[in-house]
Amino acid sequence: QVQLQESGPGLVKPSETLSLTCGVSGYSIRSGYFWGWIRQPPGKGLEWIGSFYHSGSTYYNPSLKSRVTISVDTSKNQFSLKLNSVTAADTAVYYCARQAVTTYAFDIWGQGTMVTVSS
Amino acid sequence: QSVLTQPPSASGTPGQRVTISCSGSSSNIGSNTVNWYQQLPGTAPKLLLYSNNQRPSGVPDRFSGSKSGTSASLAISGLQSEDEADYYCAAWDDSFNGVVFGGGTKLTVL
Repeated sequence: QVQLQESGPGLVKPSETLSLTCGVSGYSIRSGYFWGWIRQPPGKGLEWIGSFYHSGSTYYNPSLKSRVTISVDTSKNQFSLKLNSVTAADTAVYYCARQAVTTYAFDIWGQGTMVTVSS
Repeated sequence: QSVLTQPPSASGTPGQRVTISCSGSSSNIGSNTVNWYQQLPGTAPKLLLYSNNQRPSGVPDRFSGSKSGTSASLAISGLQSEDEADYYCAAWDDSFNGVVFGGGTKLTVL
């Protein structure tokens, strides 16, 4: 079955860059679907970060757009998130997910990874 | 503050029917379908309903959804203790080409 797994540092210093990778198994990123990142600060709701389609289209949350880059490595069947100039407000559980093209529904999610921004 | 508006909490007793509302605007719910997610404590969200009222495989038919204009709702009938979770609505927003979420509703089964 399709599985997604986030990986990356659990602690990032303020003003530095948060970098996460989402490994995909059981499905090729090149076969279709959007692929996205969503985050959830402790005790708060879900916030969409951005999504991309394998052909190159990428969409970002306007509130994060100036700091976010989502990229893909189809040879490794994985995609990545970079968020620069982080502050404590970026502390959250970060999820990667597969997103249906026609419904925009996130149908398969990774387990999530907690990232804390602290010196 | 979330783009989509949900009540922060809802509750019901086992066997009851509860509904959770989700209010948006013409650029999101008014133009696109609504998806609902269930997040059990300590776990990743799970897709509960897509395209307003479609259930993915494995989701019980106790869960149903509807949409009218710029609002949507999730209904849970025959409430069970395992339904105690946070529920989020979401939709694509044409104003900036991205996903917007509701703030989430914490459902308590009394």
